[in-house]
Amino acid sequence: GEDVEQSLFLSVREGDSSVINCTYTDSSSTYLYWYKQEPGAGLQLLTYIFSNMDMKQDQRLTVLLNKKDKHLSLRIADTQTGDSAIYFCAETSRGGNKLTFGTGTQLKVEL
Amino acid sequence: NAGVTQTPKFRILKIGQSMTLQCTQDMNHNYMYWYRQDPGMGLKLIYYSVGAGITDKGEVPNGYNVSRSTTEDFPLRLELAAPSQTSVYFCASTANGGDSNQPQHFGDGTRLSIL
Repeated sequence: GEDVEQSLFLSVREGDSSVINCTYTDSSSTYLYWYKQEPGAGLQLLTYIFSNMDMKQDQRLTVLLNKKDKHLSLRIADTQTGDSAIYFCAETSRGGNKLTFGTGTQLKVEL
Repeated sequence: NAGVTQTPKFRILKIGQSMTLQCTQDMNHNYMYWYRQDPGMGLKLIYYSVGAGITDKGEVPNGYNVSRSTTEDFPLRLELAAPSQTSVYFCASTANGGDSNQPQHFGDGTRLSIL
């Protein structure tokens, strides 16, 4: 079945950029998503990218997609302490009814 | 709108007990999902439903049952609780299926411990 992999932890200093990486195996993925989970809460959609795009920018967030290598990344510019959370990438394939989530990356922002 | 509401927020069960985790949404979404989240394991899909009266198994359905008698409600049932079912359970809903830019809306989770 489909598989989505992420590194478990990332630590950055406040003001630096954060880059969270994700690899997936399903070559028929159509939409790829980034979700954010704050402590004690459910997941909230941050941004998404359609598979025919290479890049998407939304304020401090930049999503890069390398479809050939099946690699997705999320860059957070000027990382703030409020960005500390777990970040999940997820993908779905054409006609699919469900998402496949990665393992999540815990982002810690230090002062 | 309340979005996706899960009850209870916390529960401790003894081995062998049964319980129902409630999930309701007020967005008239057709698609609803149950996930469990274990540390370092991401979210695993337990069951999902594409509309009232229709349910399907996800990755980890064993030990669970669901029903979808209305569009709003999607309860998850544990018949014989086991320690391996200790987890955080999330319910989610979306207007369309996965092949869409419509996000899944998540509840705040139910933290379940089986002792």
